Amino acid sequence: DAEITQSPRHKITETGRQVTLACHQTWNHNNMFWYRQDLGHGLRLIHYSYGVQDTNKGEVSDGYSVSRSNTEDLPLTLESAASSQTSVYFCASSLNRVGEQYFGPGTRLTVT
Amino acid sequence: QKEVEQNSGPLSVPEGAIASLNCTYSDRGSQSFFWYRQYSGKSPELIMFIYSNGDKEDGRFTAQLNKASQYVSLLIRDSQPSDSATYLCAADDYKLSFGAGTTVTVRA
Repeated sequence: DAEITQSPRHKITETGRQVTLACHQTWNHNNMFWYRQDLGHGLRLIHYSYGVQDTNKGEVSDGYSVSRSNTEDLPLTLESAASSQTSVYFCASSLNRVGEQYFGPGTRLTVT
Repeated sequence: QKEVEQNSGPLSVPEGAIASLNCTYSDRGSQSFFWYRQYSGKSPELIMFIYSNGDKEDGRFTAQLNKASQYVSLLIRDSQPSDSATYLCAADDYKLSFGAGTTVTVRA
């Protein structure tokens, strides 16, 4: 069955380290998204991509970067992790309609 | 101002009752609206979407859209304990903007 996976599921890192969160989908979806979810804020969009080589900044993109070299993957990199980036990160994908998204299981990131 | 606002809740309803969730949005350009359900510790899943003014029914769920009032709602009829979750409203303007969510608890 097609699916969307994220790895690692849990990560503890130190302030200042570079961290990469992986997202892989097997639906051949064009659109991929990264969100963070914090209590009281709901889901906030970090970066998104509408296809290979396309990336766009979301509302909370500072300190994060993405690259899209193929259809299946959209890794999220935290250049220099900060305690404010402690959060649960969700990756999502959609085929045509942007709003009809399928979410991965999430990565819980703790920055100490 | 946040683009999508939801009634903050939490909302507690007895089993078998109707749960009513409300959402307003600020961008008149938004054309499509979505309701996602998120169980505690899990990822969001899409349960309803609506593009046109009026009502859309899917089983026990009814989504209502009023573009003139910039208002979207979700009704859950015959609420079950399995409906206990956080419900996220989202508006689509080439990317999704989510509300903060409303937590619903269905009392047995």
